[in-house]
Amino acid sequence: QQQVKQSPQSLIVQKGGISIINCAYENTAFDYFPWYQQFPGKGPALLIAIRPDVSEKKEGRFTISFNKSAKQFSLHIMDSQPGDSATYFCAASMSYEAAGNKLTFGGGTRVLVKP
Amino acid sequence: EAGVTQSPTHLIKTRGQQATLRCSPISGHTSVYWYQQALGLGLQFLLWYDEGEERNRGNFPPRFSGRQFPNYSSELNVNALELEDSALYLCASNLEGTGWIADTQYFGPGTRLTVL
Repeated sequence: QQQVKQSPQSLIVQKGGISIINCAYENTAFDYFPWYQQFPGKGPALLIAIRPDVSEKKEGRFTISFNKSAKQFSLHIMDSQPGDSATYFCAASMSYEAAGNKLTFGGGTRVLVKP
Repeated sequence: EAGVTQSPTHLIKTRGQQATLRCSPISGHTSVYWYQQALGLGLQFLLWYDEGEERNRGNFPPRFSGRQFPNYSSELNVNALELEDSALYLCASNLEGTGWIADTQYFGPGTRLTVL
């Protein structure tokens, strides 16, 4: 019930291409879905987040698509750049009252953008 | 504004020893979370502290413990270290409450613990 499954594990994309990472969850109590970007030797940094009341959110080159009925959400990185090469994690959490916003993470996707 | 800070950056211990890791949250943040990032296991929730109290813990044995101080900084203690405790330990903080502000967790750079 607490799992978040992420795919693919790794991804190679050409500069200027689109990177797509998918996540699926089981627990319908989740109501906050962030994506984090992590570079080697660094902690994860929040990229973009969405709540179930919207189906899409865009910030710059990053877009989250959310499908509540399918319990799936995805990250699209448009016009991928070599500087986007990092590991991306999807995550989910419930309300503060339920579980204190603890994050349940997907397994991560290592993205390599080739110049 | 300073982010979440953690110390030490690296820590090397031997089996059976104890490790103490420290975290200072962003100023004004009252909640602190600890996560373990072990190779091949992803990020796993360890502990949540809020207003000095342990509020929630993940599926880890009792030898993982910690505390939160009155200034909201936190300490993670790992007793009787085992080889599989080798991992990056990440601390995150957020504002207490509900809504987007409280949902967003900010992570520190982590402490790399190596158990030999």
